[in-house]
Amino acid sequence: NAGVMQNPRHLVRRRGQEARLRCSPMKGHSHVYWYRQLPEEGLKFMVYLQKENIIDESGMPKERFSAEFPKEGPSILRIQQVVRGDSAAYFCASSPGTRYEQYFGPGTRLTVT
Amino acid sequence: KNEVEQSPQNLTAQEGEFITINCSYSVGISALHWLQQHPGGGIVSLFMLSSGKKKHGRLIATINIQEKHSSLHITASHPRDSAVYICAVITDKLIFGTGTRLQVFP
Repeated sequence: NAGVMQNPRHLVRRRGQEARLRCSPMKGHSHVYWYRQLPEEGLKFMVYLQKENIIDESGMPKERFSAEFPKEGPSILRIQQVVRGDSAAYFCASSPGTRYEQYFGPGTRLTVT
Repeated sequence: KNEVEQSPQNLTAQEGEFITINCSYSVGISALHWLQQHPGGGIVSLFMLSSGKKKHGRLIATINIQEKHSSLHITASHPRDSAVYICAVITDKLIFGTGTRLQVFP
């Protein structure tokens, strides 16, 4: 049973470009969570999704950020018109349900130049 | 004030020492995670617990729900235990502490 997969592991974008981060949850997990870790800071919740539904996006910046978890395929975190302040590690986690243990992916390190 | 506080923020130890990392929280929770993050690496879930005590190898985690406090203990510490240890409480989402950076020297 493969763990949570994230790709790419490293992503470099110029200011103004779009970044797409992918997360494939563990087999049998229908709940996906995205977290951001800014340099030298702690982890912060961004968004919680179930298949085809956004359950809680209270941690998402109001503009430029969106997330989806389609019926088929991975969850996508999309950042439009990236700025230097978006440079961070983005982690995805999955679980079989709410209040279950979450399993983390290896993260995507986004660098905006 | 953060909803999840960890102490100490930084910890150095000699190989073989017994280590304790503390976590206090101020919100109602259903459970608590202890996570480990190596430099440049991903995040590993060490424990999820909602009461009592759990043990895995040299790691022991305890939680006191009434006192809103949890501890992570490492017995016979080793340099490979050097990492950041993060406490995260489960409400309807995970709320993270700021982490404890542990360095174990040979």
